[in-house]
Amino acid sequence: GDSVTQMEGPVTLSEEAFLTINCTYTATGYPSLFWYVQYPGEGLQLLLKATKADDKGSNKGFEATYRKETTSFHLEKGSVQVSDSAVYFCALNQAWGNDYKLSFGAGTTVTVRA
Amino acid sequence: GAGVSQTPSNKVTEKGKYVELRCDPISGHTALYWYRQSLGQGPEFLIYFQGTGAADDSGLPNDRFFAVRPEGSVSTLKIQRTERGDSAVYLCASSLLGETGRTGELFFGEGSRLTVL
Repeated sequence: GDSVTQMEGPVTLSEEAFLTINCTYTATGYPSLFWYVQYPGEGLQLLLKATKADDKGSNKGFEATYRKETTSFHLEKGSVQVSDSAVYFCALNQAWGNDYKLSFGAGTTVTVRA
Repeated sequence: GAGVSQTPSNKVTEKGKYVELRCDPISGHTALYWYRQSLGQGPEFLIYFQGTGAADDSGLPNDRFFAVRPEGSVSTLKIQRTERGDSAVYLCASSLLGETGRTGELFFGEGSRLTVL
């Protein structure tokens, strides 16, 4: 079945460092790809998404590009802040039909030190 | 501006007991979802409601799990004869149904952490 594999954590960075979290997927058809973020004490929230190959999702300085040839959707941010400390989840769903069923990766915990 | 509300936030129970977890979705969201997140893993789909009916319950692990949404708003996830393996964070999400029937963005609650001793 459809699945997502993401980089294991935890990841600890200094402020203003570059962040990359790797995510690869296995899916039939043409899935949509997502990054969700969970800040301490809050619910999961959508960070960005891409619905077709070569699309780039971006939000809050984060970016990820849908790469069909490498089945990847790596998350990047050029200069992290302490407020970016959170757990990040890569996810996919099928674009049509049961698109409400998200398949999540295991999550990557990121801690940014001042 | 209320988001998705889940109660209780924490529940500790003994093996074999019955548990109910409640979800109050964002007002006006017709679609409601339950996911389960075990320690060290990402959330896993349990069930999806469109209005009052369960449109897809294929993720429920066995018949000890049941969920209802009688008036198309609040939902309750019910777990009978709890087992230690049921310990997890149970997440609820809601969404609008988008154009052409596609799912809109899912908005998640903070979850209910269930611990079965």
